[in-house]
Amino acid sequence: GENVEQHPSTLSVQEGDSAVIKCTYSDSASNYFPWYKQELGKRPQLIIDIRSNVGEKKDQRIAVTLNKTAKHFSLHITETQPEDSAVYFCAASRNQGGKLIFGQGTELSVKP
Amino acid sequence: EAQVTQNPRYLITVTGKKLTVTCSQNMNHEYMSWYRQDPGLGLRQIYYSMNVEVTDKGDVPEGYKVSRKEKRNFPLILESPSPNQTSLYFCASSPKGLDYYEQYFGPGTRLTVT
Repeated sequence: GENVEQHPSTLSVQEGDSAVIKCTYSDSASNYFPWYKQELGKRPQLIIDIRSNVGEKKDQRIAVTLNKTAKHFSLHITETQPEDSAVYFCAASRNQGGKLIFGQGTELSVKP
Repeated sequence: EAQVTQNPRYLITVTGKKLTVTCSQNMNHEYMSWYRQDPGLGLRQIYYSMNVEVTDKGDVPEGYKVSRKEKRNFPLILESPSPNQTSLYFCASSPKGLDYYEQYFGPGTRLTVT
């Protein structure tokens, strides 16, 4: 079946450094790729997403890139801050409101 | 306040005792889903609904039932819970529209089956 592989499972960086999380998906019909952030004890919240007709999207310190040929997408966080510490999930979907496949999550730790 | 609510937030039960976790949203969203979250496995979709009376299986539907009789409610039913259903459960909703894909998650329900 469809699956999404996410790496690394844990990532530790110094404050101010960049962090990169990578995901690979199997379903070539996927066309929507969101990233969710989940702080400890809280619910997941959308931080950025990208559609298949776009190769890159940026929102302040966060950017996402998509390579449809390789079925690969990545989250880039620049100038990391301690409040960026959380678990990040990537996901892939074919259609709005339908099946959404999540990656296994990356626990990001930003050390002051 | 626009929100997704779940009840109960915490539940400890015994094997085989039927239970229902309620989910309600007040944002008039068309789409609703249930997920379970387990360490190392991420979020896995159990069921989703794209309209009233329309439900579909997600990745891990075995042992669960859902219904969507009203737009705002999407209860999750465990007819005969087993210990491997011990997990953190999230309900989510999202609106229909060309530019609206974001899922709004409820606060979660932590279920323990002994």
